[in-house]
Amino acid sequence: EIVLTQSPVTLSVSPGESAALSCRASQSVSSSLAWYQQKPGQAPRLLIYSASTRATGVPARFSGSGSGTDFTLTISSLQSEDCAIYYCQQYSDWPETFGQGTKVEI
Amino acid sequence: QVQLMQSGAEVKKPGSSVKVSCQASGDSFNTDSFSWLRQAPGHGLEWMGGIIPFYGTPSYSQKFQDRVTITADGASSTVSMDLSGLRFDDTALYYCARDGFVTGQIGRFFELWGRGTLVSVSS
Repeated sequence: EIVLTQSPVTLSVSPGESAALSCRASQSVSSSLAWYQQKPGQAPRLLIYSASTRATGVPARFSGSGSGTDFTLTISSLQSEDCAIYYCQQYSDWPETFGQGTKVEI
Repeated sequence: QVQLMQSGAEVKKPGSSVKVSCQASGDSFNTDSFSWLRQAPGHGLEWMGGIIPFYGTPSYSQKFQDRVTITADGASSTVSMDLSGLRFDDTALYYCARDGFVTGQIGRFFELWGRGTLVSVSS
C-alpha cells in the first residue's frame, strides 16, 4: 500500500503568518490526494480534493498544490481557529491511506 | 444538508463483537457510497470498508476482512459495521463517512463524516 509521510510533525506559527504543510507519497498518486482538518474532539473535515480543489465552504486561505509524489497544503494568514491536525489521504491506489498528520499550533 | 448520525459509545470484552450504526439524512442514501474508518492511538486513520446501498455488496480492507461486516438498510437509511473478535487494540473512534468521487479518478475521498463512536475494549 502507498505510504504517505507528512512533515513537519508540529508547526508553530503566529497569527497572520502562512504555513506550508508537506505530504510525500511512496509512489505516484497523480492528483488523487485529499487534505483534512481535525480539531480536538471533532471528526475530520474535508478541505481539499484532487490535490487543489477546495471542498464546499472551505475558506480561500486554504490551498493545495502538487502532483505525483509531492504535495503541499498552504494556509495563508493563519487564524486561531486553524489550530488543528491536518491529514493527507491518497485515493490513487487501494486501499486508500492517510498520512500521520501535522499539528498546527498558533 | 446530509448528516450522519452515529450510535453511542460501547464498552466490550475481548473476543466479543460490536455493531456500530450510522443513519443518514437526505434523499440520496441508496445511490451514495459510504465507508467506515477508524482512528486509534498510534495507528492514525484507517479505512475499514465501504458499501453502496443500491448494490448492497460491501468491500473490505484486507486488514479487517476476516472480522468486519458492513450492511445497509434502505428502509431506515442506515449503514452498520459489525466488528468481531475484539482485541484491546481495537479500542478506537469509529467513523462513518460519505464517499466522494471525481470522474477520471479511481478511488474515494471522504466528503462528510459522522461524529464518531468510541469503542473501548476492556476486560
